[in-house]
Amino acid sequence: EAGVAQSPRYKIIEKRQSVAFWCNPISGHATLYWYQQILGQGPKLLIQFQNNGVVDDSQLPKDRFSAERLKGVDSTLKIQPAKLEDSAVYLCASSPRGLAGGRYEQYFGPGTRLTVT
Amino acid sequence: AQTVTQSQPEMSVQEAETVTLSCTYDTSESDYYLFWYKQPPSRQMILVIRQEAYKQQNATENRFSVNFQKAAKSFSLKISDSQLGDAAMYFCAYRSTPLNYGGSQGNLIFGKGTKLSVKP
Repeated sequence: EAGVAQSPRYKIIEKRQSVAFWCNPISGHATLYWYQQILGQGPKLLIQFQNNGVVDDSQLPKDRFSAERLKGVDSTLKIQPAKLEDSAVYLCASSPRGLAGGRYEQYFGPGTRLTVT
Repeated sequence: AQTVTQSQPEMSVQEAETVTLSCTYDTSESDYYLFWYKQPPSRQMILVIRQEAYKQQNATENRFSVNFQKAAKSFSLKISDSQLGDAAMYFCAYRSTPLNYGGSQGNLIFGKGTKLSVKP
């Protein structure tokens, strides 16, 4: 079974530029999560999708961050314009179920390391 | 809101020895899930072990076991017979159960992590 795929693995941009990250979850997984992991900290949820609907985006800085999950499969996370404090690893995870079963494991992708200069 | 605290930023263990990583959490919920994740330099988060709060028996997965103290809100990870491949960041995480979904919506709440080094 293929794991969660993310691209790119690394990205360096200047502040005020825009950037997009892509995630392909495990086939059949209904729930998709985007986490932000700042150096020295644990991951923090940015947004959660159930199929193609947003379940929780309460911690997403909506003035600069946006995300979509077209057709309930792939997802894209965008930052526009980027700030220095956006430098972090962006992790995508998927799970067979979200609202229906909290015991189900979240499977993580390798992450994208973003550096904003 | 739930919080997770890992008070040991770094730990070190000799190969083949045993090490315990600490985690405490705060919640008003009576049922929930607790996890330990491993994150090697490759950055891929890997589930190590899972504990369901309603189960009194401590979870065990091969060389990994937990000491779950619900009243004390403590969830420590014990690694026995440590191997070089165990070197990584270890994160403790909390997740609400479906009945308690509200603000958290079932996402994981992580601690800041403990960096484990294994000496040959």
